[in-house]
Amino acid sequence: DTAVSQTPKYLVTQMGNDKSIKCEQNLGHDTMYWYKQDSKKFLKIMFSYNNKELIINETVPNRFSPKSPDKAHLNLHINSLELGDSAVYFCASSPQVRAQETQYFGPGTRLLVL
Amino acid sequence: ELKVEQNPLFLSMQEGKNYTIYCNYSTTSDRLYWYRQDPGKSLESLFVLLSNGAVKQEGRLMASLDTKARLSTLHITAAVHDLSATYFCAVDMGSGNTPLVFGKGTRLSVIA
Repeated sequence: DTAVSQTPKYLVTQMGNDKSIKCEQNLGHDTMYWYKQDSKKFLKIMFSYNNKELIINETVPNRFSPKSPDKAHLNLHINSLELGDSAVYFCASSPQVRAQETQYFGPGTRLLVL
Repeated sequence: ELKVEQNPLFLSMQEGKNYTIYCNYSTTSDRLYWYRQDPGKSLESLFVLLSNGAVKQEGRLMASLDTKARLSTLHITAAVHDLSATYFCAVDMGSGNTPLVFGKGTRLSVIA
């Protein structure tokens, strides 16, 4: 009964390839996020979706394209992978209304681009 | 632009000692979060602080929030090895369902 799950956990690929990461939450939350954690452990928001609609898109190359087929899923597709894309990508979710809850994070997807 | 600064970034402390991690942020917010991350793991929520003067305690950790000073502290009492991890503070960008802006993390190592 994992709250926020991501697949795959590990992804090793060559430069120039296209890959996708999937995220699902079973918490009934309306808002989902993608964060990137680089090699120095810095965490930064990439995208935020509310009820399947994109609400925040930080300065991220357009090679990254999120897709939310329903409010329980938020996938991340990456085109033409570059070495600098190597990082850990975390999906998270939170309820829509201002609530006394934190954001819940998935286990992370460790992407290594060779 | 909201900025969140933590210090120290690295902390090595002896078992049994006390220490405080500081988290400053640059714009008004009354929602602050503390997370713990073990190596190779995800982020585990420790505390949610929602108002000025909020104080929460769990075991050897106590977090507080001063919204006027834009400062939160995470106090560690009588540290034990199991507390070794990276601790992040994060501030909500807006209305509660907006992304978090994270500090750079404090890498804590508790040694015997």
